[in-house]
Amino acid sequence: GESVGLHLPTLSVQEGDNSIINCAYSNSASDYFIWYKQESGKGPQFIIDIRSNMDKRQGQRVTVLLNKTVKHLSLQIAATQPGDSAVYFCAETEGGERWDMRFGAGTRLTVKP
Amino acid sequence: NAGVTQTPKFQVLKTGQSMTLQCAQDMNHEYMSWYRQDPGMGLRLIHYSVGAGITDQGEVPNGYNVSRSTTEDFPLRLLSAAPSQTSVYFCASASTDTQYFGPGTRLTVL
Repeated sequence: GESVGLHLPTLSVQEGDNSIINCAYSNSASDYFIWYKQESGKGPQFIIDIRSNMDKRQGQRVTVLLNKTVKHLSLQIAATQPGDSAVYFCAETEGGERWDMRFGAGTRLTVKP
Repeated sequence: NAGVTQTPKFQVLKTGQSMTLQCAQDMNHEYMSWYRQDPGMGLRLIHYSVGAGITDQGEVPNGYNVSRSTTEDFPLRLLSAAPSQTSVYFCASASTDTQYFGPGTRLTVL
């Protein structure tokens, strides 16, 4: 079946370094992707999204890259800070069907001071 | 503007008990949904609603009921709690594509 998954369950980086979190998806018809951040004891928080007609989108210190050829999504965090420590989820959906949004299991990012 | 609120934050039930998880949003969003989050797994959709009076099943609806009598509220009912329903439950709302999540309810069923 279709699935959304992550390459690594954990990622540890030094404060100030850049972080890259990866996500693979299998539904070639997916056309909308979101990255969420979830801090301990809290609900997922929207970070950035991208549609399939784009291959890159930038926010504040974050960049999402989409490679539709290999069905791969990545989240880049520049100058990672201790406050970035959290679990990061990717999610995807097809045709804007929010009830069919599928979430990856998450990658735990730890920032070392 | 409180966003999406959920109560209670924590709950312990015995097998067979029933309860209602409350969810409310003050953003006038039409779309609301309930997810459960289990260790090592992504969020899984339980039920969703595209507007007042309209609900539908998600990926894992068994053992749960919902209703949407108002735009603001979307309660989730556990009819007869089972240990397999031990999880963290998140409510979300959306006006367009982006969903905004509540803080979650951690439920333990003994």
